[in-house]
Amino acid sequence: KAGVTQTPRYLIKTRGQQVTLSCSPISGHRSVSWYQQTPGQGLQFLFEYFSETQRNKGNFPGRFSGRQFSNSRSEMNVSTLELGDSALYLCASSTPQGAQETQYFGPGTRLLVL
Amino acid sequence: AQKITQTQPGMFVQEKEAVTLDCTYDTSDPSYGLFWYKQPSSGEMIFLIYQGSYDQQNATEGRYSLNFQKARKSANLVISASQLGDSAMYFCAMREAPSGNTPLVFGKGTRLSVIA
Repeated sequence: KAGVTQTPRYLIKTRGQQVTLSCSPISGHRSVSWYQQTPGQGLQFLFEYFSETQRNKGNFPGRFSGRQFSNSRSEMNVSTLELGDSALYLCASSTPQGAQETQYFGPGTRLLVL
Repeated sequence: AQKITQTQPGMFVQEKEAVTLDCTYDTSDPSYGLFWYKQPSSGEMIFLIYQGSYDQQNATEGRYSLNFQKARKSANLVISASQLGDSAMYFCAMREAPSGNTPLVFGKGTRLSVIA
């Protein structure tokens, strides 16, 4: 089975711009979660989508948004980029199984905001 | 309050030796899952092992085993026969499940360096 794929792998943007990141889950997985990883804050949960509905949301400003399509592919958008948005953005897919739900991660998108 | 604590920012281990990476967690929920992930310098998070709160036995996956001590709320990862390719960041994570799904919460990670 193909793993989780994320595009693009690297991005350079300037402050004030917006960016859209894409994630294709493992075939059959209907849940997609997004995380932001920075050296200072570590791994922080952004949001989770299941069957095109946002199921959970982390503590991020409204500039961060996401959506999921009927084929379970997901996108996240960051508007009005700030320098602090520079990070590795990780996407993970899973099948809901309560506490034992295992998330499988993609390779990430490295975003640099100048 | 921090839910997952990894007290070792960095560790060194000799090749072929075993190493234990510490993880303690905090939850009042009786149903939870504990996970360990490996993150090489490439950035991808690789799932290693899972332990459920109701599991009677410690989980094992190849060279990885989880030393689960429920009363102490610890879930240490043991890597046996370390290899150079084991050099990476290791993250402990927990998911609580009182009802429905809750997000994974990660610790700060431990950087493991394997020395030849």
